[in-house]
Amino acid sequence: KNEVEQSPQNLTAQEGEFITINCSYSVGISALHWLQQHPGGGIVSLFMLSSGKKKHGRLIATINIQEKHSSLHITASHPRDSAVYICAVRDPGAGSYQLTFGKGTKLSVIP
Amino acid sequence: EAQVTQNPRYLITVTGKKLTVTCSQNMNHEYMSWYRQDPGLGLRQIYYSMNVEVTDKGDVPEGYKVSRKEKRNFPLILESPSPNQTSLYFCASSLLGTGNTEAFFGQGTRLTVV
Repeated sequence: KNEVEQSPQNLTAQEGEFITINCSYSVGISALHWLQQHPGGGIVSLFMLSSGKKKHGRLIATINIQEKHSSLHITASHPRDSAVYICAVRDPGAGSYQLTFGKGTKLSVIP
Repeated sequence: EAQVTQNPRYLITVTGKKLTVTCSQNMNHEYMSWYRQDPGLGLRQIYYSMNVEVTDKGDVPEGYKVSRKEKRNFPLILESPSPNQTSLYFCASSLLGTGNTEAFFGQGTRLTVV
């Protein structure tokens, strides 16, 4: 079973700062998800990627399969970005749909 | 709108009183799953279902039951809730395929057992 580590656990940033959240996993995967959870809210999928890089607005996700590592970047951070960001991986192989989750990174963006 | 709907959002109950948390998805997804989220432990899988009448245990199934009689619904049943089942619960669904499919999550159900 995969082990997923996220860093940092907690992150406080000033509005406008560039933010990076890291995720490492222990064995090969078929896909990696970045999820966002606002306080009191549900979980929203931000990205799903299996290689390379994806961008959506101010958010960028990258993955290095050889290094077993992914990063989530937020450019020009804003207080509304304050949330818990969760990395989740799917093990490889047809028929594997189980997700293994990191413990999350709590981001607070201060005005 | 594609969504996963859980009900209720909040529930306070007493030890031993049977309860059901409902989960419904409108995307015709085959795969559905229940997770609980606890501080310091992250999200852990309780049960999952690959299709109608096909269910299996996740990592923390003790004290829970599920059923999948229809494709869209996947209720979570606590026959005799105990305080250690106080948690935030999420239902999720996705298509079956190569494994490279997006997951959709419900809004969560915050359960307190006293």
